[in-house]
Amino acid sequence: EVRLLGSGGGLGQPGGSLRLSCEASGFTLSTFAMSWVRQAPGKGLECVSAIGGHGGGTFYSDSVKGRFTISRDNSKSTLYLQMNTLRDDDTGVYFCAKGHANGWFFFDSWGQGIPVIVSS
Amino acid sequence: IVLTQYPDTLSVSPGERATLSCRASHSISSNLAWYQQKPGQAPRLLIYGASTRASGLSARFSGSGFGTEFTLTINSLQTEDFAVYYCHYHGNWPATFGQGTKVDVK
Repeated sequence: EVRLLGSGGGLGQPGGSLRLSCEASGFTLSTFAMSWVRQAPGKGLECVSAIGGHGGGTFYSDSVKGRFTISRDNSKSTLYLQMNTLRDDDTGVYFCAKGHANGWFFFDSWGQGIPVIVSS
Repeated sequence: IVLTQYPDTLSVSPGERATLSCRASHSISSNLAWYQQKPGQAPRLLIYGASTRASGLSARFSGSGFGTEFTLTINSLQTEDFAVYYCHYHGNWPATFGQGTKVDVK
């Protein structure tokens, strides 16, 4: 059974940093593309970052480019999102999501969501 | 690619059919997925490639369309189907979502 267990997040200060983690089980992390999708309070979904399978590239939305970094440690089966220079509009729930075998950018399994609040 | 869903809210009685629409700003071939999201939960993949049902999905759900116009149809609506539905362009980066359609009880 595929499972994605998110952790990290919480309260961050504007201009500060947070790191999100997503521990994967039930599949080989390195062989699948993975993404982070966020949802601002009461709003819709936004893909903020992705990392390709099999050593594929990394991708960022314009809203986080230059501030967020996606990475993974295959030995730990864990996906990360390093969030720097936080802004108020980074507040929301962050989901890690597993890319489908037939496509990098649609997601057949999701983590439970990691709340992030950016506030002074 | 900008995805526009309509209507924003769809009120349907249990047992009836719901038809949700999604329009793309440019042709996206069949690179469209649909997700269902219930309050406090992660989204759930329903359809990808415009018309392919995700593993284990009820046949009451069907997707259609190509290019710029897409439809998600839910037949014989059940209580558990009342939720927000998002369409999602998945052909390339940035992979964008529509704003969502809320299906509620009439």
